[in-house]
Amino acid sequence: EPEVTQTPSHQVTQMGQEVILRCVPISNHLYFYWYRQILGQKVEFLVSFYNNEISEKSEIFDDQFSVERPDGSNFTLKIRSTKLEDSAMYFCASSPTAGATNEKLFFGSGTQLSVL
Amino acid sequence: GQNIDQPTEMTATEGAIVQINCTYQTSGFNGLFWYQQHAGEAPTFLSYNVLDGLEEKGRFSSFLSRSKGYSYLLLKELQMKDSASYLCAVRDRTGGFKTIFGAGTRLFVKA
Repeated sequence: EPEVTQTPSHQVTQMGQEVILRCVPISNHLYFYWYRQILGQKVEFLVSFYNNEISEKSEIFDDQFSVERPDGSNFTLKIRSTKLEDSAMYFCASSPTAGATNEKLFFGSGTQLSVL
Repeated sequence: GQNIDQPTEMTATEGAIVQINCTYQTSGFNGLFWYQQHAGEAPTFLSYNVLDGLEEKGRFSSFLSRSKGYSYLLLKELQMKDSASYLCAVRDRTGGFKTIFGAGTRLFVKA
């Protein structure tokens, strides 16, 4: 079964540093998402991306965050100047479409980001 | 905005049936999902409802009442491996499509 792949699985960084989290969505999917989950808390929506532009973003997704689809397969999340509170598991997800019925999200296995 | 409520924790016995409830409020309802999440892992899809009624899928069933903003997930013949968090999630079409998750219900299955 096709799957969403994320790299790295773990990332440790110093506060103030930039990190790039990478994702390869399922090849025929059109919608891409980033979610994060702080330890012990709920899965939070960050951003959705379609047709090479942001479709929607949450209030969490401020100017320190950006997303990019640099080529036909990768989808990246950049955090420009990391803060301690950015420590979380970051999940990438994709779906074939977004508006059709029963289009579930396919999640990658996540990148655990630790900001020291 | 959106609001999703579900119990924080539940405990049930192996072989039994458990019902996990979820209430939601959203302005642009476009479907309700249930996902399972084991500790340290990604959510995995269990079920989807967009119309009122019951959807059955093996040991798992999910019910939706749109007028009440209410759903439940029913797990039958519980197994130890069902110990996990169960996430109620609502897709909202307001301003684009996004899926918003509740905080999840941690289910403990005991022998």
